[in-house]
Amino acid sequence: DIVMTQTPLSLSVTPGQPASISCKSSQSLLHSDGKTYLYWYLQRPGQSPQLLIYEVSSRFSGVPDRFSGSGSGTDFTLKISRVEAEDVGVYYCMQGIHLPNTFGQGTKLEIK
Amino acid sequence: QVQLQESGPGLVKPSETLSLTCSVSGGSISSYFWSWIRQPPGKGLEWIGYIYYSGSTNYNPSLKSRVTISVDTSKNQFSLKVRSVTAADTAVYYCARAPTEWGQGTLVTVSS
Repeated sequence: DIVMTQTPLSLSVTPGQPASISCKSSQSLLHSDGKTYLYWYLQRPGQSPQLLIYEVSSRFSGVPDRFSGSGSGTDFTLKISRVEAEDVGVYYCMQGIHLPNTFGQGTKLEIK
Repeated sequence: QVQLQESGPGLVKPSETLSLTCSVSGGSISSYFWSWIRQPPGKGLEWIGYIYYSGSTNYNPSLKSRVTISVDTSKNQFSLKVRSVTAADTAVYYCARAPTEWGQGTLVTVSS
C-alpha cells in the first residue's frame, strides 16, 4: 500500500495567520494520463470529510480561495493563507491513483 | 447535487455480518464509482472498496476476504456487507461518490 505521511500532526494557529501542512507519498502519484491524484479533505468536528482540493491544486466548488494546494510527484502541501475559526478540524491528504486508496494520518488544526 | 445517506443497524454482534445500505439522491447511480470508507472512533480513514454501477468491484486487500459491495440500480442504492465482524470493525462507515460527495456516516458498534 502507498503510505501517506503528513506533518505536522497538529497545528495551533492565530486567526489571520497562515498555516501549512505537508503530505508525502511513498510512491509517485503521477498517472500516465498526466494527472496527479492527490486530494485534501477537511473533517470538521462531528462531520464527514469534505473535499477541499483535488488533483493537487484545484479547489473544489465553494472552497474559499485562502486554501491552496501545490506539489508534484511525492511531495505535496496544503496552505491556508489566513486561518479563520471555521477552519478548525482535521485535514487529510488522500491518494487516488493506487489501490487501495490511502489517507494520511491527519493533521489537527486548532485556533489559538 | 448528489446526496448520500447510510442506513443499517448501529449494533452488530461479534462473528455476525454487518450490513449497510447507501441511498443516493439527486442523481443516478448509473455512472461513477461508489465507495465505502470507514473511521474507527478517534482514528483515521480507511478505504474499504468501491463498485462501479455495472457491478465491477475493487476491495482493500486487508478486508477483501470478508467484504462484499453490491449495487441495486433500480433503487439507486449500493450496499456493504462485512462478515465475521470483531470489535476492530467498530467504526463510522461512510458511503461516498469519491472523491467529491460523502454521506454523513453511520456508527456501527460491534459488541455482544
